[in-house]
Amino acid sequence: EIVLTQSPGTLSLSPGERATLSCRASQSVSSDYLAWYQQNLGQAPRLLFYAASRRATGIPDRFSASGSGTDFTLIISRLEPEDFAVFYCQQYGRSPWTFGQGTRVEIK
Amino acid sequence: EVQLVESGGGLVQPGGSLQLSCSASGFTFSSFAMHWVRQAPGKGLEYVSGIIPSGGSRYYADSVKGRFIISRDNFKNTLYLQMSSLRPEDTAVYYCVRDFGTGWYFFDFWGQGALVTVSS
Repeated sequence: EIVLTQSPGTLSLSPGERATLSCRASQSVSSDYLAWYQQNLGQAPRLLFYAASRRATGIPDRFSASGSGTDFTLIISRLEPEDFAVFYCQQYGRSPWTFGQGTRVEIK
Repeated sequence: EVQLVESGGGLVQPGGSLQLSCSASGFTFSSFAMHWVRQAPGKGLEYVSGIIPSGGSRYYADSVKGRFIISRDNFKNTLYLQMSSLRPEDTAVYYCVRDFGTGWYFFDFWGQGALVTVSS
């Protein structure tokens, strides 16, 4: 099973600041099949990126994602109020399909 | 507009059974794989089960294998999850999710979830 470790666990930032989130895999993620999701409080997750860096429909360009192999990054260039949420990475290159434990981005 | 609406959640005793349903609309249901993902209270996301568009192939996480059965009715645009031998650790919000395609195993639309509580 591929274990995804996200860091930091919590990120305390102010609106307008830059957020950098990390997702590290215990084994190489096949074909860079890694997705990112955002979950706002009390809501269902929404897809942000797939294939490591492909932006999903409707996702603003202040969000970017990159990485390959075992190291992946999600960046929010300037935090908006609606960006304070929990972010999850997920690998879909090899079963069982696994999620990271999440990074919470909170208002400082 | 894609919509996924779960129903059937509730309180059940350990060892009991429950069936979740997910009514889909706004897309050609029979063209997409569908899945269930769950989230225990205050915890992260866990993949549960998936089924390809035809229903001919199904996948289960080890944690539910032999206890849960996923199925679909492409005429009714509905996804199901039959859960039996339920355990307290199955307590979670269960999300019905749409696959990106016919079996990519990442998820572009999510329902609002159905809460299942397993407790005596």
